[in-house]
Amino acid sequence: KAGVTQTPRYLIKTRGQQVTLSCSPISGHRSVSWYQQTPGQGLQFLFEYFSETQRNKGNFPGRFSGRQFSNSRSEMNVSTLELGDSALYLCASSLGLANTGELFFGEGSRLTVL
Amino acid sequence: AQKITQTQPGMFVQEKEAVTLDCTYDTSDPSYGLFWYKQPSSGEMIFLIYQGSYDQQNATEGRYSLNFQKARKSANLVISASQLGDSAMYFCAMRDRNRDDKIIFGKGTRLHILP
Repeated sequence: KAGVTQTPRYLIKTRGQQVTLSCSPISGHRSVSWYQQTPGQGLQFLFEYFSETQRNKGNFPGRFSGRQFSNSRSEMNVSTLELGDSALYLCASSLGLANTGELFFGEGSRLTVL
Repeated sequence: AQKITQTQPGMFVQEKEAVTLDCTYDTSDPSYGLFWYKQPSSGEMIFLIYQGSYDQQNATEGRYSLNFQKARKSANLVISASQLGDSAMYFCAMRDRNRDDKIIFGKGTRLHILP
């Protein structure tokens, strides 16, 4: 069974640019969550999508947005990049509400903003 | 608001010894789940163990066990007979089922196993 796939794995952008990250969940998983991981702040919750609907949103500015498609694949977008957006962005999928809620993580997309 | 606290930023433990990683949580709701994840230097997050708030017994998975003390709001991870491959970051996390149901993570503990 294929795991969670995130693309791209690494990317470098400059301030003011925008970036789109992609996440393909495990087949059959309908919930996709996004996290930002930095050395100082640890793992911070960005948002969660379930069946194409945003269920939860963390405390991030509106520059951070996401969506989920009918095949459960998800994208997140960061506009007007700032230096502080440099981080590892982790995507995680889960079956949804009917189980313990264990998350299956991808390997992450490491974003560097110059 | 929900909160997860891991008070040990780093730990050094001799190989084959048992390790206890501390985690305390704060929630006002009776229905919640607690998780532990491992993140090796390669970056991927690996699920280790889960404890539901209504589970009567402490969860165990191989060498991992969760010491769940509900009244103290404590969910410590115990690794028995530590191995060099256990060196990694360990994160405690909580899902609050009655509220917004999202999973939040503690800041993590970096565990170093010494040969």
